[in-house]
Amino acid sequence: RKEVEQDPGPFNVPEGATVAFNCTYSNSASQSFFWYRQDCRKEPKLLMSVYSSGNEDGRFTAQLNRASQYISLLIRDSKLSDSATYLCVVNTGGFKTIFGAGTRLFVKA
Amino acid sequence: GAGVSQSPSNKVTEKGKDVELRCDPISGHTALYWYRQSLGQGLEFLIYFQGNSAPDKSGLPSDRFSAERTGGSVSTLTIQRTQQEDSAVYLCASRGTGTSGFQTQYFGPGTRLLVL
Repeated sequence: RKEVEQDPGPFNVPEGATVAFNCTYSNSASQSFFWYRQDCRKEPKLLMSVYSSGNEDGRFTAQLNRASQYISLLIRDSKLSDSATYLCVVNTGGFKTIFGAGTRLFVKA
Repeated sequence: GAGVSQSPSNKVTEKGKDVELRCDPISGHTALYWYRQSLGQGLEFLIYFQGNSAPDKSGLPSDRFSAERTGGSVSTLTIQRTQQEDSAVYLCASRGTGTSGFQTQYFGPGTRLLVL
């Protein structure tokens, strides 16, 4: 079993739709969590950190469920510019950071 | 500098040649990571530096791969006797010492390596 698992997708949604991604992690001692975004042929960039209490940044909402060991990302009112690969990232303590393989999102007009 | 920089941005080499990839982290960042990303794949961890030392080299694919960091800043990743399967994008990331355990990695643009 991979340490961090994501549905690879692709998710194909129309503009304005709401879409949600889940990510599961295997190490219960994991300490911090992030969502990164990677555009085609570009480097990953931090989208948002994921806090225990959940957090929101505009149209994006991240949730953490420690009991079930998953994190989620919700995108409301999808835009064409949201099309990208979304990477789930888990820090298991100290330096060790594990990246998921990513979920691809295509938003269509 | 404003962000992580890497050079060269693209490298084409012949099988069997050695290549050296460079990473300049964000000034003041003590942690530096190297990853590899093959086409359409996720990030593969290669090595991590804390200062000039590398506590974890377990991700290096073979003994043809080595990395060093000097002065707690610039890092070089060297691939000896390159093979076609080494073709990938090599990404470098640096990380500061954040508070409350949230330590974000910032990536450079990567070096696209093609081994013919």
